[in-house]
Amino acid sequence: QKEVEQNSGPLSVPEGAIASLNCTYSDRGSQSFFWYRQYSGKSPELIMFIYSNGDKEDGRFTAQLNKASQYVSLLIRDSQPSDSATYLCAALSGTYKYIFGTGTRLKVLA
Amino acid sequence: DAGVIQSPRHEVTEMGQEVTLRCKPISGHNSLFWYRQTMMRGLELLIYFNNNVPIDDSGMPEDRFSAKMPNASFSTLKIQPSEPRDSAVYFCASSGYEQYFGPGTRLTVT
Repeated sequence: QKEVEQNSGPLSVPEGAIASLNCTYSDRGSQSFFWYRQYSGKSPELIMFIYSNGDKEDGRFTAQLNKASQYVSLLIRDSQPSDSATYLCAALSGTYKYIFGTGTRLKVLA
Repeated sequence: DAGVIQSPRHEVTEMGQEVTLRCKPISGHNSLFWYRQTMMRGLELLIYFNNNVPIDDSGMPEDRFSAKMPNASFSTLKIQPSEPRDSAVYFCASSGYEQYFGPGTRLTVT
């Protein structure tokens, strides 16, 4: 069973701090990884994706991928209360199957 | 682009009734996915279409569930007969590479 594991949280960080969200995956064949943000009662919204080892930055967000360790992370700099949401990690297994983790709930405290 | 469009946004029905959920994917996307999300089970892939053809329906829970994609701009997910345990949020998503979700249909079966 191909899986993506995330800590369910909640992860609480003070406003202005760096939030670090982590994800591990079991399928070594997975090549692409996606981070989605989901506000309560809303649909998942794509934040960014990464497919190369190392870091990828987009504004306040940085995705990190380590294929040897099968580990993906998302860093949110200067966290804002509006960043409070559930963050879903997904691995693309094969050509179409997105395997989603159960999400980490982030709470940014004002 | 308007994004992925789903209708209805909310559906309340009685057990035994037929339910039809509708989806219009993003123009130009050749892949379409139906997901179900519950608190207990998270986000589950029900069925995947590529170029209007069903590729993987292994996530469809039972024969009561069926899905069609008659053309590139329209798909339906039908539940007949519906049961209370089908209550969930149903998302449609489409992708060219990155996957984008529609707003979802919140289904309540009483």
